[in-house]
Amino acid sequence: EAVMTQSPATLSVSPGERATLSCRASQSISSNVAWYQQKPGQAPRLLISDASTRATGIPARFSGSGSGTEFTLTISSLQSEDFAVYYCQQYNNWPPGFGPGTKVDIK
Amino acid sequence: EVQLVESGGGLVQPGRSLRLSCAASGFTFDDYAMHWVRQAPGKGLEWVSGISWNRGGIGYADSVKGRFTISRDNAKNSLFLQMNSLRVEDTALYYCAKDVGYFSGWYDIWGQGTLVTVSS
Repeated sequence: EAVMTQSPATLSVSPGERATLSCRASQSISSNVAWYQQKPGQAPRLLISDASTRATGIPARFSGSGSGTEFTLTISSLQSEDFAVYYCQQYNNWPPGFGPGTKVDIK
Repeated sequence: EVQLVESGGGLVQPGRSLRLSCAASGFTFDDYAMHWVRQAPGKGLEWVSGISWNRGGIGYADSVKGRFTISRDNAKNSLFLQMNSLRVEDTALYYCAKDVGYFSGWYDIWGQGTLVTVSS
């Protein structure tokens, strides 16, 4: 089972700034990582799959990278609607598993 | 509009049972695997169970194996989760989520969730 960790737990960013979120797997998971955004009181929303493929309708300011055990979600210029919790998820090994999340809040 | 709507949650005593349902619309239900993912209050996401389009593939998290049973009715575009021997630690918001394929492993559509509270 691949265990996912995320850092930092909380990231304080000013609107318009760049945010870089990290996700690490306990073993190599190729590029089989997805990223989700969750706002308070809402269901998660798929942002990225296969480590770097944006889902339909996701703005270009969201980008993903990485392979193996190290992955990154970058938000190039934070908008007010981007303040949320972000989860990475691996689907290379069974069972699929999520990281504990990174909360992006307003600085 | 693509939509998943969960129902069946509620307050239940430890050791009792509950059956969750998820009604799907706006897509060809029997083309995709489906999953249940839960979120305990104030916590992160935990995959619970998944079922392939033809029921040929079924999986469970270790935390629910032997107690929960996932099923689907493709004729009624519905997904189910039978939860038996419920424990306090099963308290969570349960989401129904659509896989992008047979068992690709990531989820492009989520319902709004149904809350299960296990307490005496």
